[in-house]
Amino acid sequence: AQSVTQPDIHITVSEGASLELRCNYSYGATPYLFWYVQSPGQGLQLLLKYFSGDTLVQGIKGFEAEFKRSQSSFNLRKPSVHWSDAAEYFCAVGASTGANNLFFGTGTRLTVIP
Amino acid sequence: DAGVTQSPTHLIKTRGQQVTLRCSPKSGHDTVSWYQQALGQGPQFIFQYYEEEERQRGNFPDRFSGHQFPNYSSELNVNALLLGDSALYLCASSFGTGRTYEQYFGPGTRLTVT
Repeated sequence: AQSVTQPDIHITVSEGASLELRCNYSYGATPYLFWYVQSPGQGLQLLLKYFSGDTLVQGIKGFEAEFKRSQSSFNLRKPSVHWSDAAEYFCAVGASTGANNLFFGTGTRLTVIP
Repeated sequence: DAGVTQSPTHLIKTRGQQVTLRCSPKSGHDTVSWYQQALGQGPQFIFQYYEEEERQRGNFPDRFSGHQFPNYSSELNVNALLLGDSALYLCASSFGTGRTYEQYFGPGTRLTVT
């Protein structure tokens, strides 16, 4: 069965600083991996996805993530954080075959200080 | 192009009552999935509908049921509400089933059970 671990519940960074949010997954085959962002009271917006190919994927809002099979990780990065990036970030994994529902981590809340 | 829409936005119900939540998928999408997001948690998969049939189901009791209409819109019904059913209910739409294609989420319905 798939599972996702986001070890950091809450991260605080200064505006303009770099950001890395960690995500580790468990899945027996090649996973489909996603990062979503959720602003307070809102639904989920897809930031980026990995299905196959290049392990470094680019997303919206200047985010990128790197798939590392050997570490079962899919960490999200941004070189320079903006105040508007403050939100909850969720990593999700889906199966590459069969069922296509998503398994989500518990999320990382990002606070940006000026 | 309208995205995923959900109604109502907020709902307050009493224990033991029944509730119906509605979702219209993104244009061109034919698959609807429902997720429950408890406070401080990541979304949990409830079930998925495709071709008007429930195709997959997560670990939720039979009190949770659904329906998909010929126009691909969907309803989530919850009977005999419990306090623990209080959550944000998210609808996600995608195209096709059997593989994890990216899912687009609606803004959610906030259900409060008192």
